[in-house]
Amino acid sequence: EIVLTQSPGTLSLSPGERATLSCRASQSLSSSYLAWYQQNLGQAPRLLIYGASSRATGIPDRFSGSGSGTDFTLTISRLEPEDFAVYYCQQYGSSLWTFGQGTKVEIK
Amino acid sequence: EVQLVQSGAEVKKPGESLRISCKASGYSFTSYWISWVRQMPGKGLEWMGRIDPSDSYTNYSPSFQGHVTISADKSISTAYLLWSSLKASDTAMYYCARHAGYSYSYALDIWGQGTMVTVSS
Repeated sequence: EIVLTQSPGTLSLSPGERATLSCRASQSLSSSYLAWYQQNLGQAPRLLIYGASSRATGIPDRFSGSGSGTDFTLTISRLEPEDFAVYYCQQYGSSLWTFGQGTKVEIK
Repeated sequence: EVQLVQSGAEVKKPGESLRISCKASGYSFTSYWISWVRQMPGKGLEWMGRIDPSDSYTNYSPSFQGHVTISADKSISTAYLLWSSLKASDTAMYYCARHAGYSYSYALDIWGQGTMVTVSS
């Protein structure tokens, strides 16, 4: 089973700043099967990025994804108040899906 | 509108059985897989398993295999998550989610609102 490790655990930033979140896989992934989700407090998760770098429908272009192999990144170019949330990466391989443990982006 | 609507919160005792539901609307239910995801209080997301509603093929995370059963009734566009004997450690929020198709790398594009399950004596 592929393990995803996200870092940092918590990111303390101010609105308007750039956020860079990391997701590292225990073995090489097909980039096609790496996704990112946002979860606000008390809400269901929301798909942000699929295929490592494609934005889902309705997702603002301040969100971008990149990476390949074992290292993937979610970048939020300028944080808006509604972006302070928990972010999860997820991979699909061998008919199994796994999530990373999450990165919390909090207001500094 | 494409949506998944889950059944309401449940409070059960250890050893009891439970079935929670996830009703799909606004799209062809048999065209997209459905997964269940657990979120224990204050913790992260855990993928439990998925079903293909067209033929009820299922596969499970090794962590959940044998502990839960996923099923679907395509006549009423509803997926289910079943426990035969609940434990206190099953206390969690449970989400159903739709897998987008191949073009979207099977990511989870539509989520239900969640069902809170509390197991306590």
